[in-house]
Amino acid sequence: AQSVTQPDIHITVSEGASLELRCNYSYGATPYLFWYVQSPGQGLQLLLKYFSGDTLVQGIKGFEAEFKRSQSSFNLRKPSVHWSDAAEYFCAVGAMEYGNKLVFGAGTILRVKS
Amino acid sequence: ETGVTQSPTHLIKTRGQQVTLRCSSQSGHNTVSWYQQALGQGPQFIFQYYREEENGRGNFPPRFSGLQFPNYSSELNVNALELDDSALYLCASSLAPTADEQFFGPGTRLTVL
Repeated sequence: AQSVTQPDIHITVSEGASLELRCNYSYGATPYLFWYVQSPGQGLQLLLKYFSGDTLVQGIKGFEAEFKRSQSSFNLRKPSVHWSDAAEYFCAVGAMEYGNKLVFGAGTILRVKS
Repeated sequence: ETGVTQSPTHLIKTRGQQVTLRCSSQSGHNTVSWYQQALGQGPQFIFQYYREEENGRGNFPPRFSGLQFPNYSSELNVNALELDDSALYLCASSLAPTADEQFFGPGTRLTVL
């Protein structure tokens, strides 16, 4: 069965510090990988996606993620966090074989302290 | 270009009632997917509609049903509401069932009392 694990429910970082959010997946097909961000009361906004090719992908708002097939991981990083990055972050996996159905992790809530 | 819109924003129902949630897809998108996001959890796939036909379904009972209209807008219907149906319901549209990106609406918050 497909699954996505985000081990950290909450993470608190200081403004200006670096950030890494972890994501591990279990998927029977060649995965497409996504990171979404959700602010309170809002829908999901796509930060970045990986389909193939370069395993380091750049997204919006200065985020990047690295796909590591050997570790089944797709961790999200940002070198310097801004207070406006406080939100909930979701890792998701999909596959062409499953017709665009996304399987999401439980999310990581990011708090930024000044 | 108008994004994905959903109505209503919030809704309160009682157990046993029926509810209809609505979604307007982004211009040019023919595929709509619905997700349920319970409090503290990630979204879960309910089903997808493509060209007015159901095109895949998650692990949800038949009392969750949907429709897609010729203009590609969509409805999610839930019959015999249960307390556990309280959640944020998200609609996402895409250019095609296998498109590489889904665009999410702001969601409808359903509370079942």
